[in-house]
Parts: sequence; structure tokens; C-alpha cells
Amino acid sequence: EVQLVESGGGLAQPGGSLRLSCGASRFTFSTYWMTWVRQAPGKGLEWVATINQGGGQKYYVDSVKGRFTISRDNAKNSLYLQMNSLRGEDTGVYYCARDMGDVWGPGTTVIVSS
Amino acid sequence: EIVLTQSPATLSVSPGERATLYCRASQSVSTNLAWFQQKPGQSPRLLISDASTRATGVPARFSGSGSGTEFTLTISSLQSEDIAVYYCQRYNSWPWTFGQGTKVEVK
Repeated sequence: EVQLVESGGGLAQPGGSLRLSCGASRFTFSTYWMTWVRQAPGKGLEWVATINQGGGQKYYVDSVKGRFTISRDNAKNSLYLQMNSLRGEDTGVYYCARDMGDVWGPGTTVIVSS
Repeated sequence: EIVLTQSPATLSVSPGERATLYCRASQSVSTNLAWFQQKPGQSPRLLISDASTRATGVPARFSGSGSGTEFTLTISSLQSEDIAVYYCQRYNSWPWTFGQGTKVEVK
């Protein structure tokens, strides 16, 4: 079964950093665009960032531009989200998804609080 | 930025009845629109892509239609397991965006 599993969430202070990872299995990771989506507590889904197969094209929602960096390591079948200068409004569950969302991971929770 | 507006915010439907959910885009997105189902405590699940293509394993009672700025997700005969929040999402241009969601509940 095709699988995505996120990790790296946790508690961070405002202004701090976290690095999320997403491991992929049972599909050819290197041939797919990959996406991060987040969901604040009790709120809807928000697209965060997408990266193309080779990593040369990256797109971000305006609210994270300059603070978050999406990347991938195709040799390790892994997707990453480096999150710097964290704010309270970054709190939520972060999901990785294949392409525009045909496969999703279970999510990892990020809490930004002092 | 193209905004997606879903209606209604909450839909109450009796089991076995039809449920119709709407998604309106502020500009044309062609047919680059998807529908997702999210049950409490679960990850979203893709139901429909390209406005009308059912994803693998999605029951036939789910159907999508529309193009341009007006889209519809129809559940032909609501089952108890369909209770969830449904989101539309556009992917025609950057940034991708989601609608705010429609909560489907049992009447």
C-alpha cells in the first residue's frame, strides 16, 4: 500500500525552528510532485508548499514565503519542510501529500507557543 | 489570488437522500478542481479530481460536475459513513487554494 508518514512535529517557541520530514514508500517517489498542507485547530485546510520531481520548482503560500523551505531527497524517498521564524499562527497539523492530494500522510502536529 | 467559496457551510440530509455541495471560484479554474472528504480525526481523502473524475475506490454515489467557476459535488444517496467535512481545492495556478469546507450532517 502506498504510504506517507510525517515526523518532526512538536513544540517550538515563537521565532524558533522545526524541520518536518515525510517518508514515502511503495511508490516511485522521484516521479511525483509533493505537497505540504496544514490545518489549524478547528479550522480548514491550507495549502502550504509544493515541489516538483527534481526539486527545481518550489511554490509557497504567501504567509510562509521567506520563512519555510520545501525540499526533497529522492534517494531517501523523503520530503522536508524547514520552518523558521515560527509564529503562533503556524500551529496546526501538517500533512504531506502526493501531487495535488491523491495520497496523504496521517499528519504531524506543530505547536508554536512560549 | 483565486478564492473558492463553498456553500452551504452546513448541510443536513436524511440518510438515503441526495446531498448537493457547491464550490464557486472567483475566476475560472477550468476543470482543475478537486473534492476532498475529511472525517473527524482523519486525514483528508481525495474523492474527485479534474472536476468530475472519481478517485480509485470512491463509491459511485459520489459525483462531481462543473467547469470554469461553478462546481458541484453530489452524494446521490447519503450513507451514515459520509458524515464529514468536504473541501474543494483548485490547482490551476499558484497558489493552490482550498474552499472553507461544507460540513455534512445527518438530519
